Amino acid sequence: QKEVEQDPGPLSVPEGAIVSLNCTYSNSAFQYFMWYRQYSRKGPELLMYTYSSGNKEDGRFTAQVDKSSKYISLFIRDSQPSDSATYLCASALNAGNMLTFGGGTRLMVKP
Amino acid sequence: GAVVSQHPSRVICKSGTSVKIECRSLDFQATTMFWYRQFPKKSLMLMATSNEGSKATYEQGVEKDKFLINHASLTLSTLTVTSAHPEDSSFYICSARDLAGDGYTFGSGTRLTVV
Repeated sequence: QKEVEQDPGPLSVPEGAIVSLNCTYSNSAFQYFMWYRQYSRKGPELLMYTYSSGNKEDGRFTAQVDKSSKYISLFIRDSQPSDSATYLCASALNAGNMLTFGGGTRLMVKP
Repeated sequence: GAVVSQHPSRVICKSGTSVKIECRSLDFQATTMFWYRQFPKKSLMLMATSNEGSKATYEQGVEKDKFLINHASLTLSTLTVTSAHPEDSSFYICSARDLAGDGYTFGSGTRLTVV
């Protein structure tokens, strides 16, 4: 079993929809959780960064971590075609430790 | 925010030659940088952790004599693919953490094609 699991998609939604992206992880010692967006042939771009459980909101993006169920979520409100990309969740034991990535979910937002 | 500059963005080389990829932290010091490899439509695979002033730590299955990592300063780490073969063709990405900020910043990646 991979330490961080993510549905590869692709996930196709109409413009304006609410998108829910999810990951599960197996290592209960993970403390840091991140979501990255990666456009084709580009490096990943950090979207959200959370420590331990809880919610964090930034504009149209909301990240949720439920450590009791080892579940990580990213919600995108009012999705736009420019949100079309691969979204990667990642976890780390401590700040400065290596990241463990999920496999990425490809999102397509259609106009 | 923190910026990591990676060069070159793409390179084509002949089999048997060596290629050097540079990763620079532009506005922060990075004692640790990470090197990843990514195959098409796949996630990032950690190759090695680069520590300033010491030897890099390689992940299982990664040949350290083939993928030479040097982290001579707090702002520069290099990955050299030695005696490149077509199977080394891939997307290589570096990452560093800004201790003053959140998360890990990635370079823009290097697409290596070995012909």
